[in-house]
Amino acid sequence: DAGVTQSPTHLIKTRGQQVTLRCSPKSGHDTVSWYQQALGQGPQFIFQYYEEEERQRGNFPDRFSGHQFPNYSSELNVNALLLGDSALYLCASSPWGGAQFFGPGTRLTVL
Amino acid sequence: DAKTTQPPSMDCAEGRAANLPCNHSTISGNEYVYWYRQIHSQGPQYIIHGLKNNETNEMASLIITEDRKSSTLILPHATLRDTAVYYCIVRVAGGVKTSGSRLTFGEGTQLTVNP
Repeated sequence: DAGVTQSPTHLIKTRGQQVTLRCSPKSGHDTVSWYQQALGQGPQFIFQYYEEEERQRGNFPDRFSGHQFPNYSSELNVNALLLGDSALYLCASSPWGGAQFFGPGTRLTVL
Repeated sequence: DAKTTQPPSMDCAEGRAANLPCNHSTISGNEYVYWYRQIHSQGPQYIIHGLKNNETNEMASLIITEDRKSSTLILPHATLRDTAVYYCIVRVAGGVKTSGSRLTFGEGTQLTVNP
């Protein structure tokens, strides 16, 4: 049984560009949450998707948006990239309200 | 969600039990205690969670005090591979369609297991 998978593993972008990160949840999970982890800090909650709708959102600007597909996979989009968006982006899946299981993350570097 | 307090760092000898404390004095009756760990640059790994009873799985044991204001994660026989940052998180019970479903990470405890 595959766990949570994320793609790509690493990504380099320049300021002002747009990026899309992808996440496939663990089998049997219908909820996907996204987190941003800056170097030396704990993960910060971005938003959570369930039934293809954004259910909760953390303190992140509208440049951060997402989508969940009927197969429960999800995308995180970030527009107008800033240097400060450089971070490890983590996807976590769960049954609704259940324990969250994390993927390996996507390391985004903005130059 | 209730705030948690953990020591910033701890050391443990390989083969000995590692006992990681966590204070959550403002925990509410419908909030669970979750533990995750993160090895450098990897995604956090779920360890265990509990409401008020002690819990045990193949990775660890979770001891929650009777008043639920603190808890201890026990790794019974620590190995070098247990070196990681351990996060104690308090989270509203599942099924609540409010802010309760998010995980709020603090600073965690850096556990170093020494040979």
